[in-house]
Amino acid sequence: NAGVTQTPKFRVLKTGQSMTLLCAQDMNHEYMYWYRQDPGMGLRLIHYSVGEGTTAKGEVPDGYNVSRLKKQNFLLGLESAAPSQTSVYFCASSYSEGVAGANVLTFGAGSRLTVL
Amino acid sequence: QKEVEQDPGPLSVPEGAIVSLNCTYSNSAFQYFMWYRQYSRKGPELLMYTYSSGNKEDGRFTAQVDKSSKYISLFIRDSQPSDSATYLCAMSALTGGGNKLTFGTGTQLKVEL
Repeated sequence: NAGVTQTPKFRVLKTGQSMTLLCAQDMNHEYMYWYRQDPGMGLRLIHYSVGEGTTAKGEVPDGYNVSRLKKQNFLLGLESAAPSQTSVYFCASSYSEGVAGANVLTFGAGSRLTVL
Repeated sequence: QKEVEQDPGPLSVPEGAIVSLNCTYSNSAFQYFMWYRQYSRKGPELLMYTYSSGNKEDGRFTAQVDKSSKYISLFIRDSQPSDSATYLCAMSALTGGGNKLTFGTGTQLKVEL
């Protein structure tokens, strides 16, 4: 079982460049999330989606955009990358609220982004 | 002040020791409490899941939740080198707006031979 797959795993960008991180899940989960992980800061929620075609802001949404055109995919975009966006990005998914175990998130392996 | 506080460590223990990892929190609305384990350069994986107060045991792992003190713990018995990882506590409330988790910063654990 693939679970949650993130691409690419590594990327180096120059300041001002744009890129998209792709997340795909094969568990038929309704909810999907993008987190960033920085030393001393833990995991912080960037954006999340509670269903196909819907997205919402998390704790640190500035500088990022997302789209959920298909239930199984959740894209995270950086329109103009900044050094402050150097981080490890994790995608996660879960069942919707009301389903047993809905609060349990399944994470991908991460995408390591460096902005020079 | 962060909603969830967790000592970052690192914590180094000998093989076979009992390990105690802890988190405190300030939001009384939190009802779901989780522990995730994260190996180096990997994604977090769920270790323990608890609803409300009480204890839960799974093999060598025991999770405790004390909502009156806003304090959760993870105990690892007979620790093994393979337990060396970062342990993240996480918690959430019933919000109706997505299962948003609030994470601690993680405690790095090293179990030495």
